[in-house]
Amino acid sequence: RKEVEQDPGPFNVPEGATVAFNCTYSNSASQSFFWYRQDCRKEPKLLMSVYSSGNEDGRFTAQLNRASQYISLLIRDSKLSDSATYLCVVKWGEKLTFGTGTRLTIIP
Amino acid sequence: GAVVSQHPSRVICKSGTSVKIECRSLDFQATTMFWYRQFPKQSLMLMATSNEGSKATYEQGVEKDKFLINHASLTLSTLTVTSAHPEDSSFYICSAGWGGETQYFGPGTRLLVL
Repeated sequence: RKEVEQDPGPFNVPEGATVAFNCTYSNSASQSFFWYRQDCRKEPKLLMSVYSSGNEDGRFTAQLNRASQYISLLIRDSKLSDSATYLCVVKWGEKLTFGTGTRLTIIP
Repeated sequence: GAVVSQHPSRVICKSGTSVKIECRSLDFQATTMFWYRQFPKQSLMLMATSNEGSKATYEQGVEKDKFLINHASLTLSTLTVTSAHPEDSSFYICSAGWGGETQYFGPGTRLLVL
């Protein structure tokens, strides 16, 4: 079983739609959780950290369920610029473990 | 925000040669840097953790004699791919931690071994 699992997609959604990504992780001792986005042939960039209480940053909402070892990301009112691969990332100690990513394409 | 640079951004080399990739933290001191590799359509895989002034810690399955890591200063870590082969062609990315929580990634080095 992979340490961090994501639906690879691709998700093709119309502009303005709401899209949700899910992620599960296997290491119950994981300490921190993040969503990164990676554009084609670029490095990953931090989108947001994820907390158990849930957190929101503009159109993006992230949620963590430690009991289920489940992380989610919701994107509202999607924009063309949201097209990217979204990486679920889990941290234990100093080590980051990446999911394989979910590819999102926003269609005009 | 914190900035991490990598050089070169792209390198093409012949099979059997060695390639050195530099990773620099530009506006902060990084006692620890990380080296990742990403093959097409796959996620980033941690290769090794580079510690300033001491030996790197390699992940299982990564050959330490093939991927030489040197972290000589608080702002520079280098990865040398020795005797590169076509299967080493990949996207190599470094990162450095700052503020204890997140890691900042360099722009990556695309290596093609012919």
